[in-house]
Amino acid sequence: DQQVKQNSPSLSVQEGRISILNCDYTNSMFDYFLWYKKYPAEGPTFLISISSIKDKNEDGRFTVFLNKSAKHLSLHIVPSQPGDSAVYFCAASGIQGGSEKLVFGKGTKLTVNP
Amino acid sequence: DVKVTQSSRYLVKRTGEKVFLECVQDMDHENMFWYRQDPGLGLRLIYFSYDVKMKEKGDIPEGYSVSREKKERFSLILESASTNQTSMYLCASSSPGLAGNNEQFFGPGTRLTVL
Repeated sequence: DQQVKQNSPSLSVQEGRISILNCDYTNSMFDYFLWYKKYPAEGPTFLISISSIKDKNEDGRFTVFLNKSAKHLSLHIVPSQPGDSAVYFCAASGIQGGSEKLVFGKGTKLTVNP
Repeated sequence: DVKVTQSSRYLVKRTGEKVFLECVQDMDHENMFWYRQDPGLGLRLIYFSYDVKMKEKGDIPEGYSVSREKKERFSLILESASTNQTSMYLCASSSPGLAGNNEQFFGPGTRLTVL
């Protein structure tokens, strides 16, 4: 059973416009949510996170919104740039059985067209 | 600059071979993880370790084993490689309580092809 879902495998936007990547989760015990960015043939790199006690976290062009009641989070990139083209993974964190694992979604491939 | 390094970027092996993938981190992290990434399947956890000589199964441990003899080093072992183990293998590390969000730091990955 998938606990973290990214229902859009791909997204294409124009340079300068907003990119919105969505993520849903099912486990209410998750208390931190992270976004990672991955270029081909490289490891994922951490982008931004949000605690479950907040509903918004901003870092430059990147903003993550959390709606706990809907078990939904989204990553907004404004303005989008061609260098943002990558696969974005949503991940959730929480003590599960004493561990500190991250549970990852399947990823959304973002393409920003010049 | 913190680093997770993996012994090989690309590896080609034959079916039945024993394969060792090495991962080293220089951040003195307690936790280390092995994932595989396949198109459409995201990152799937194979094994992880919270301390030296400790290991726990992840979501897809079948066909793999691990070794952690030193804190900085975590090895993934394919006892008898099969073609369905062709994948991108990613190592990661983290430290309990660091930033509070369980952020994991990833290596560059090893693209393994089993023929």
